[in-house]
Amino acid sequence: KAGVTQTPRYLIKTRGQQVTLSCSPISGHRSVSWYQQTPGQGLQFLFEYFSETQRNKGNFPGRFSGRQFSNSRSEMNVSTLELGDSALYLCASTAGASHTDTQYFGPGTRLTVL
Amino acid sequence: AQSVTQLDSQVPVFEEAPVELRCNYSSSVSVYLFWYVQYPNQGLQLLLKYLSGSTLVKGINGFEAEFNKSQTSFHLRKPSVHISDTAEYFCAVMRNTGGFKTIFGAGTRLFVKA
Repeated sequence: KAGVTQTPRYLIKTRGQQVTLSCSPISGHRSVSWYQQTPGQGLQFLFEYFSETQRNKGNFPGRFSGRQFSNSRSEMNVSTLELGDSALYLCASTAGASHTDTQYFGPGTRLTVL
Repeated sequence: AQSVTQLDSQVPVFEEAPVELRCNYSSSVSVYLFWYVQYPNQGLQLLLKYLSGSTLVKGINGFEAEFNKSQTSFHLRKPSVHISDTAEYFCAVMRNTGGFKTIFGAGTRLFVKA
C-alpha cells in the first residue's frame, strides 16, 4: 500500500497570500489529522476529519481551515499568511474511527512565508 | 493545563550502548501515551503506545517504554542502539478534553556515535 502523500512538498508564499495544502491518506483510511511543526512551538494539532466531518480542532485562529472529501483526501487552507505560519505541515491518516488507532504520517509540506 | 516534558533536548550515545529518553506528563485524568520517531525530512512514525493494561510496552526497532502512573512518566528505552537510531523522538499524550487531542513534547534528538 502506498503511504500518506502530501503535495506540494515545498512551498514559498508571501505575507497576505493564501495557501492550500493537500493530503492523500492511505487507501481505506477514513480519518485525517493535520499538525503544524515549528522550531519554536514544536508539534501542534490543527484539526481532524473523519468521514468528511471535522471531529476535533486545535487552538488555531480561523485563518486555518480544512476539509475532507468523500474519497478521504483532505485539504487545509491558510488565508492571509503571516511570517509565523512558516512551518512543516504534517498530515496523518488513521484507518478506523478510534482516536487511539495508529496514525500514519506523511512527509509533510514545508511552507515558507516571506 | 496538560503538558508533556521531555527532559533532555539532546542525548549523545555510543553505538551498542543503552539509552533512555525521558518523558513526564501532567494530567489529572487518564491519558493515552505515545512515542514517535522522526527521521530527517520525514514525517513521524509510531514506535509504541500505552492505552491500558501492562505498564511495560514493547515497540518496533527494539524500543520499549514503561508507564509509571505515580511518577507520571513514560520513559523510552533501548538496550543497545545503532547508528540508524539517530533521529528525533517525540513523546505524546492524548486525552479526551471535549474531544481527543494529542499534545507533543518538544522532542529529544538522539545522536548515536560510532
